[in-house]
Amino acid sequence: EAQVTQNPRYLITVTGKKLTVTCSQNMNHEYMSWYRQDPGLGLRQIYYSMNVEVTDKGDVPEGYKVSRKEKRNFPLILESPSPNQTSLYFCASQQGGGQGYEQYFGPGTRLTVT
Amino acid sequence: AQSVAQPEDQVNVAEGNPLTVKCTYSVSGNPYLFWYVQYPNRGLQFLLKYITGDNLVKGSYGFEAEFNKSQTSFHLKKPSALVSDSALYFCAVRVYNFNKFYFGSGTKLNVKP
Repeated sequence: EAQVTQNPRYLITVTGKKLTVTCSQNMNHEYMSWYRQDPGLGLRQIYYSMNVEVTDKGDVPEGYKVSRKEKRNFPLILESPSPNQTSLYFCASQQGGGQGYEQYFGPGTRLTVT
Repeated sequence: AQSVAQPEDQVNVAEGNPLTVKCTYSVSGNPYLFWYVQYPNRGLQFLLKYITGDNLVKGSYGFEAEFNKSQTSFHLKKPSALVSDSALYFCAVRVYNFNKFYFGSGTKLNVKP
């Protein structure tokens, strides 16, 4: 089954404790992306990757890191989480880098930072 | 700056009636426009997109949307709403030659029996 998976689905952590949210897709997609969803703000793009070893900032990259060492994986790293990073996070992938392709989304990771 | 606006936080409609969820955008360049739906505790699912060509595009579950360049709008429509259409709907835009996506704030659609 074609899918985007994220782990963990739920995470409660404390301020400053490094964490990683994993994302994996099995569709051989080139483009992958991370978003955060906050009430009233919709989805905001954090980082995206056009291919292996090619990443760039979205609209809200502060406090986040990403890496793309393999085509299928695109982990999101919070090196020192803060309460304002409490949010619902989505990973997405897209066939190719072309602008006309739709994205496939993972099920989401709900992060709470206390 | 690129932006997408969904002016209604919530749309209420009776089952069987037509529905419209509004979306307007502001971009510098040619837009590629998308609609996604989100059911509770789920990720977003693709509904339809406008890339080029016919301004009226048809998508999944009987939804359609009309691209209006002069009004910079891409409203989502369905002739006859179902209770199962109740969900959160997002409009998104990507601009030609740019790699970022921009999403609206979402519109909650409530379809009552």
